[in-house]
Amino acid sequence: LAKTTQPISMDSYEGQEVNITCSHNNIATNDYITWYQQFPSQGPRFIIQGYKTKVTNEVASLFIPADRKSSTLSLPRVSLSDTAVYYCLVGDDGGSARQLTFGSGTQLTVLP
Amino acid sequence: GAVVSQHPSWVICKSGTSVKIECRSLDFQATTMFWYRQFPKQSLMLMATSNEGSKATYEQGVEKDKFLINHASLTLSTLTVTSAHPEDSSFYICSAFGQGPYNEQFFGPGTRLTVL
Repeated sequence: LAKTTQPISMDSYEGQEVNITCSHNNIATNDYITWYQQFPSQGPRFIIQGYKTKVTNEVASLFIPADRKSSTLSLPRVSLSDTAVYYCLVGDDGGSARQLTFGSGTQLTVLP
Repeated sequence: GAVVSQHPSWVICKSGTSVKIECRSLDFQATTMFWYRQFPKQSLMLMATSNEGSKATYEQGVEKDKFLINHASLTLSTLTVTSAHPEDSSFYICSAFGQGPYNEQFFGPGTRLTVL
C-alpha cells in the first residue's frame, strides 16, 4: 500500500477555498486516490475518489497531476462545519475486500 | 449511501470485564467488515478484517484472544474486548464496503469504550 504524506494541520476562514495536498510518490498503476472526512467522535465519511486528472462532485474537487504522485483536495467556500480531519488514502480499487491504511490526516480548522 | 450502525455508541466498564460491540450493515450485505481503533488525536489503526463464516484476520500486534471477532451473518460482525483494561480505552470503528459507485467503505459511527 502506497504511503501518503499530508500536512498535519491547516487553518482557513469561512468562505475561502481550501486546498489540501497529499503526496503519494509510490502510487501503483492500479491505485485510486480516495479522500475521507472525519468529525470528532464519528466514523470517517467518503468525500471523493479519483484516478487521474480532475474529479468534481457536489462537495469537493480532486486534482491529480499526470504523474499521479500527488493529489489535491479542493473544498470551495468552506464553512465552520467543514472543520474536521481529512484523510488521503491510496489503494487498489479492485474487489470489495480492500483494507484501508490511514495516514496521519490533516486537521482543517475553519475560523469565523 | 449504505448505512453501517454500531451498538453501543459508548460504554463504560470495570477493568477485567468483557465488552461486546456490534456492527451492522443496515441496507446491504457485507461479507467483509473491518475493525479499527482510534486513540485521541491519532489516526485510525486497522485491527482486523472480519470475514463472514470464517475466522478473522488480525493485524500484527493485535491479540486475537483479547479482541474476539465473530462475523456470523452477512449483516453483523461483533468485536468482544475480553478482560478489558484501561489501556483498551479507545474509539472503536467498524466499516464495510457497500454498493456505492466508488467501491468506497462505509464507516459506522464508532463506539467509545472507557475502562475504569
